[in-house]
Amino acid sequence: GENVEQHPSTLSVQEGDSAVIKCTYSDSASNYFPWYKQELGKRPQLIIDIRSNVGEKKDQRIAVTLNKTAKHFSLHITETQPEDSAVYFCAASKSGTSYGKLTFGQGTILTVHP
Amino acid sequence: EPEVTQTPSHQVTQMGQEVILRCVPISNHLYFYWYRQILGQKVEFLVSFYNNEISEKSEIFDDQFSVERPDGSNFTLKIRSTKLEDSAMYFCASSYLEWGYTFGSGTRLTVV
Repeated sequence: GENVEQHPSTLSVQEGDSAVIKCTYSDSASNYFPWYKQELGKRPQLIIDIRSNVGEKKDQRIAVTLNKTAKHFSLHITETQPEDSAVYFCAASKSGTSYGKLTFGQGTILTVHP
Repeated sequence: EPEVTQTPSHQVTQMGQEVILRCVPISNHLYFYWYRQILGQKVEFLVSFYNNEISEKSEIFDDQFSVERPDGSNFTLKIRSTKLEDSAMYFCASSYLEWGYTFGSGTRLTVV
């Protein structure tokens, strides 16, 4: 089955800096890659996603890049703010064949220092 | 914005007891899921449900687990005989298509 590896496990940045979180996946048939933000004790919230027919997607300060050949995708947050502090999870799925089952990475604890 | 609602928010149960976790997905959604998250760990898939039947389940989802959609609105997860290792946060999720889920706020299950 699919395996998703995520790193780093913790990331500490100063406010205003950029943060990059990387994930690799094992199943070349995976075609949908969402990123979730989870604040302490709360639900995962979808912040951005990308499908395998595009290489990059941007939404204000957040961008995701996908390299299908290398089977990795990355989350980029620019101009970080203290409220970006949370756990970020990447995930992968094979929409169209797996009824949307998501395989998650292990998570990255992002801390943005004011 | 529509929400996925889960009840209860916290359930404490004795080992060996049955628990039912309840979810009300978003009304026009077609795909329903249960995931769990052991404290400090990643989110793990349990089961997906589509067209009134289980479409996929993980190795975690053994005979102790079952899901039902008893009416048009509720989606439940039953654990027949809870074990200590079932202690986790259980998230329900729903989606209209096979992507872009909305997660519920979760039920924290504590087995003592």
